[in-house]
Amino acid sequence: GAVVSQHPSWVICKSGTSVKIECRSLDFQATTMFWYRQFPKQSLMLMATSNEGSKATYEQGVEKDKFLINHASLTLSTLTVTSAHPEDSSFYICSARDKDLPPNQPQHFGDGTRLSIL
Amino acid sequence: GENVEQHPSTLSVQEGDSAVIKCTYSDSASNYFPWYKQELGKGPQLIIDIRSNVGEKKDQRIAVTLNKTAKHFSLHITETQPEDSAVYFCRLGNAGNMLTFGGGTRLMVKP
Repeated sequence: GAVVSQHPSWVICKSGTSVKIECRSLDFQATTMFWYRQFPKQSLMLMATSNEGSKATYEQGVEKDKFLINHASLTLSTLTVTSAHPEDSSFYICSARDKDLPPNQPQHFGDGTRLSIL
Repeated sequence: GENVEQHPSTLSVQEGDSAVIKCTYSDSASNYFPWYKQELGKGPQLIIDIRSNVGEKKDQRIAVTLNKTAKHFSLHITETQPEDSAVYFCRLGNAGNMLTFGGGTRLMVKP
């Protein structure tokens, strides 16, 4: 089945550091990828929709200058948390939509990146 | 986005018993209803889904039922096993979009 790979799976860094998370679709092409944040014991909250070749669309309340998204190819989207602070510590998950399927089809999720800012 | 309420938030059952999780919604335009299982430290995985033109779908021990009139859909797990322990999320979709996740249900299956 379709696989989405997310890297790294876990990162710990100092406050003020910028952290880049990669999301790759391994066996399909994705014009659209999605980035979610999940705090402990809570549901997934959509942060932004990443569109290949164009600017990402951010959800209300998500700072686009804080969470930089780049979707430069049909198989890779990156999320960079700039100048990360302890409150940015969370579980970040991406998903991807197969470009050859209708929009209302299951998305494939990565296994998440646990970000801990000290 | 569209709100979806999921209940219960936690569910503890004995191995072999059944588990039922329910989600209610209000948007009549919703026509796609997937369920996801999220194990600790991993992303959610689709386990079953249903579209609005059917009322029930079954895959071995897992089933989903949909009541469009009452605007709710449920996940049923029969003969539960310890490996079913996880967090389960419902979600809504309509013609062009996948909408919000439910709040999640932490299922614990006691051996």
